[in-house]
Amino acid sequence: GNSVTQMEGPVTLSEEAFLTINCTYTATGYPSLFWYVQYPGEGLQLLLKATKADDKGSNKGFEATYRKETTSFHLEKGSVQVSDSAVYFCGVGSNYKLTFGKGTLLTVNP
Amino acid sequence: NAGVTQTPKFQVLKTGQSMTLQCAQDMNHEYMSWYRQDPGMGLRLIHYSVGAGITDQGEVPNGYNVSRSTTEDFPLRLLSAAPSQTSVYFCASRTGQETQYFGPGTRLLVL
Repeated sequence: GNSVTQMEGPVTLSEEAFLTINCTYTATGYPSLFWYVQYPGEGLQLLLKATKADDKGSNKGFEATYRKETTSFHLEKGSVQVSDSAVYFCGVGSNYKLTFGKGTLLTVNP
Repeated sequence: NAGVTQTPKFQVLKTGQSMTLQCAQDMNHEYMSWYRQDPGMGLRLIHYSVGAGITDQGEVPNGYNVSRSTTEDFPLRLLSAAPSQTSVYFCASRTGQETQYFGPGTRLLVL
């Protein structure tokens, strides 16, 4: 079955720092890749996605590129804000299932 | 559209009690899923459904039953609650390989 390995953290950064959260996956076929974000006390929301190799997903300053050769989908942001503090989940979807990593807690301090 | 709704938001059970977590979506999505979220474990798939009348097991199905009699509803049943089922439960729905939408979650405590 599919699986996802992501940096577990927690990650603590100062405002305006550069963010990278690593994510690698194993999957059969041609999966889609996702990053979801969970703010405190809430459900998960889609942050960005990519559906084929070399696609770049982007949203709210976050980016991730679908790298089939390295089976990776690392999340990056050039300048984080306090409001980006949340848990980030990498996900791989194929057939009927969406499988998630364990999540990475990000805390951004002013 | 209300999206994905879940009830109740919070529930306390005693060991051995049964209950049903409700989930409904109004987006006409064919795929629906139940996940549980535990500290350090991320999100784990319990059961999923690819359409009305069709369900299948996910990663951690033991102790849970589901049914899908309509496209809109996908209830999760705990037949005999155990403390190990203390968790936050999320229902989700999507169509094809498109975005998966999550409900707000149900926080369950089993004493």
